[in-house]
Amino acid sequence: NAGVTQTPKFQVLKTGQSMTLQCAQDMNHEYMSWYRQDPGMGLRLIHYSVGAGITDQGEVPNGYNVSRSTTEDFPLRLLSAAPSQTSVYFCASSGHRDRGETQYFGPGTRLLVL
Amino acid sequence: GENVEQHPSTLSVQEGDSAVIKCTYSDSASNYFPWYKQELGKRPQLIIDIRSNVGEKKDQRIAVTLNKTAKHFSLHITETQPEDSAVYFCAADTGRRALTFGSGTRLQVQP
Repeated sequence: NAGVTQTPKFQVLKTGQSMTLQCAQDMNHEYMSWYRQDPGMGLRLIHYSVGAGITDQGEVPNGYNVSRSTTEDFPLRLLSAAPSQTSVYFCASSGHRDRGETQYFGPGTRLLVL
Repeated sequence: GENVEQHPSTLSVQEGDSAVIKCTYSDSASNYFPWYKQELGKRPQLIIDIRSNVGEKKDQRIAVTLNKTAKHFSLHITETQPEDSAVYFCAADTGRRALTFGSGTRLQVQP
């Protein structure tokens, strides 16, 4: 199993550009979520999904869109990038309640918005 | 929504000493409390977790305690080693499988 994978590893955007951060997991996990981590700070929840076709907002959803058309994939879209979105983005997944609540994190995407 | 506060923000100990990090949470519906270790440039790694129906859990040198009444939980690391140096995060989950994190504690173990 590859676990949770994220692409790209690093991206530079100009203000106003759009992009999609990819996240995939091969563990058949129902739950997936996106977090951002600013320098010297904890992780903050952006959006999360409890299954294919179901998504909900976290603490800091503004400026981001998500969709969950398959169990495996949970892409995060920045519609119009802003310098305030410069951060490290982590995707995570966890299995069904009976399989434990451990969240497995991807390696992260480092985003710089100029 | 849930709010998690974590203290201290930095902690320096001598090798072999114990380290304690404390967190409080606000939402009584939270029922799962993991602790993560993050090394520079790496992803968070789960080191121990506890559910709300358990008061204490131990794994070798690491232990976590939970006080549901007071809404606080703590991480205890005994016999610290230089490789324990990292940033530690507590978190809470109300069951939606999406975590609210504390702000982190930078632990420095001096050889």
